[in-house]
Amino acid sequence: SFELTQPPSVSVSPGQTARITCSADALPKQYTYWYQQKPGRAPVMVIYKDIERPSGIPERFSGSSSGTTVTLTISGVQAEDEADYYCQSADSSDRIFGGGTKLTVL
Amino acid sequence: QVQLQESGPGLVKPSETLSLTCTVFSHSISSIYYWGWIRQPPGKGLEWIGSVYRTGSTYFNPSLKSRVTMSIDTSKNQFSLKLNSVTAADTAVYYCAREVSAPGYFDHWGRGALVTVSS
Repeated sequence: SFELTQPPSVSVSPGQTARITCSADALPKQYTYWYQQKPGRAPVMVIYKDIERPSGIPERFSGSSSGTTVTLTISGVQAEDEADYYCQSADSSDRIFGGGTKLTVL
Repeated sequence: QVQLQESGPGLVKPSETLSLTCTVFSHSISSIYYWGWIRQPPGKGLEWIGSVYRTGSTYFNPSLKSRVTMSIDTSKNQFSLKLNSVTAADTAVYYCAREVSAPGYFDHWGRGALVTVSS
């Protein structure tokens, strides 16, 4: 199996760009997915297959991948983006979530 | 729009079996998707428990495999989770979700059900 490592917290001011990384400790890296979770709510997927954005997710959310690290970028952060963000990947028999990153909008 | 709803006891005694059911609305559970369970202890992160297919085929988290059973009832459009020999560490919000492109991602989630393990 493998592990996904995220920074515990990221802070940005409104209008700035937030970048949240997710690093895998082993190759080959499978696709990575990103979820946003607000307090008391179920997670909502914001990026799938590293870079794809589901319908209904604002364009300010984007994903990128380089080697064993994927990045969720939120451009022009808004107060409503304050939430926990989790990356997730999978191999043939396991589905792994990262530890989560709390995004604080200052 | 696919909707999922968890149901089951909110309180389970230590050493007993946790049982939850997920009912799927507006979508056939007999489709090509897998159906999964994910849990989240209070104040902590997400942990995948397992996934089940319409045929009854299952995949489990290796760390929970020895205690988990999952089943699917296509006639009721439901799937279920059983976790035996529970301890306080199994206290969590349990989510059911639809899994796309298994092993893949979870695109529709239930609201979650809090299960507390306590005597």
